[in-house]
Amino acid sequence: ELKVEQNPLFLSMQEGKNYTIYCNYSTTSDRLYWYRQDPGKSLESLFVLLSNGAVKQEGRLMASLDTKARLSTLHITAAVHDLSATYFCAVPITRGGSEKLVFGKGMKLTVNP
Amino acid sequence: DSGVTQTPKHLITATGQRVTLRCSPRSGDLSVYWYQQSLDQGLQFLIQYYNGEERAKGNILERFSAQQFPDLHSELNLSSLELGDSALYFCASSVQAGVRNEQFFGPGTRLTVL
Repeated sequence: ELKVEQNPLFLSMQEGKNYTIYCNYSTTSDRLYWYRQDPGKSLESLFVLLSNGAVKQEGRLMASLDTKARLSTLHITAAVHDLSATYFCAVPITRGGSEKLVFGKGMKLTVNP
Repeated sequence: DSGVTQTPKHLITATGQRVTLRCSPRSGDLSVYWYQQSLDQGLQFLIQYYNGEERAKGNILERFSAQQFPDLHSELNLSSLELGDSALYFCASSVQAGVRNEQFFGPGTRLTVL
């Protein structure tokens, strides 16, 4: 059974600082998704990583995927308060031609002024 | 805004009752997925429909059922509700059912069982 683990689960950081968060998964997958969720809101797609070595950047966030290590990282550069949210990684699992997403527990980020 | 709509936004009901959650996929999407987000279990896949037919099943309780109608909207029916069913229920949609189809999530329905 596919397990997706995020590390850390809680992070409090100061504005202007950098940090990297990790997402490990237990079985082979060549794709991974990152989502952002604000409290009580829906999942907002941040990054779709489609192959080994994929790197994508949007603003202060950069995500990468290493399928051999079964690891994705989400790097935060010069954090700002608006980045405070919960971040989920999700790995697709395919069975019988269909696909479902298996999510990590999420990392709650608080950026303090 | 993903283009996926869900109603109602909030639902408060009592134990033992039955409720129906509704989802309309993005225009052109044939596949609908239901997920449950709870404090205990996190985000879990429940069930997937494609063009009216059940395609995949996850950790869905027997008290829960779903269907997808000819106009492609979907309903998730939850019956004999228990306190532990309180959660955010998300619907997602994708163009097709197979692999490499990105899922787009709706705003969710928050269910509170008292």
